[in-house]
Amino acid sequence: DVKVTQSSRYLVKRTGEKVFLECVQDMDHENMFWYRQDPGLGLRLIYFSYDVKMKEKGDIPEGYSVSREKKERFSLILESASTNQTSMYLCASRRGQTYGYTFGSGTRLTVV
Amino acid sequence: GDSVTQMEGPVTLSEEAFLTINCTYTATGYPSLFWYVQYPGEGLQLLLKATKADDKGSNKGFEATYRKETTSFHLEKGSVQVSDSAVYFCVRGGGGSNYKLTFGKGTLLTVNP
Repeated sequence: DVKVTQSSRYLVKRTGEKVFLECVQDMDHENMFWYRQDPGLGLRLIYFSYDVKMKEKGDIPEGYSVSREKKERFSLILESASTNQTSMYLCASRRGQTYGYTFGSGTRLTVV
Repeated sequence: GDSVTQMEGPVTLSEEAFLTINCTYTATGYPSLFWYVQYPGEGLQLLLKATKADDKGSNKGFEATYRKETTSFHLEKGSVQVSDSAVYFCVRGGGGSNYKLTFGKGTLLTVNP
């Protein structure tokens, strides 16, 4: 069964910490995405990558960066965590344009 | 820019009732259209998709037809079950070389026995 795995289900971090959220897919997909999900705001795209070492800003990239050194792994980095980054983070991948996403189970991050 | 508008919830139905969740999308390009479902405490799962006009996606008793003339992709099910309780998202693909997906805000469905 194909999978997108996010390294942590729940995380609690302190304000100002550097936070790494890891996502790994085993489907040889080119495209990978990071979203955050907040009540009343739905899903918002942070960053995406259409190939190794390629990245593009989504709708809300401020305060985040990403890394895609290998095809299967797409990391989201919070350079200096803030309380307004408390959210559910969802990673997704897909093979191409007409295919749906496969999502990971999500990481619920709380910044205190 | 691209957008998706779906019916706001919450929607509460009795078991075996008919379900419709309306969804419309912006018409630029030739997007693929998707419905995703999120069960409590879980990530999103692809429910069904349609890649061109007049396509009908179907899965688990759910159906949606890609209507180019009305820019709609309404989700329907003839007889809902308690296990269908979840949040449903209508999603528009980017079309062309646009890699992004655009999500609707989601509709919470609760089915009571």
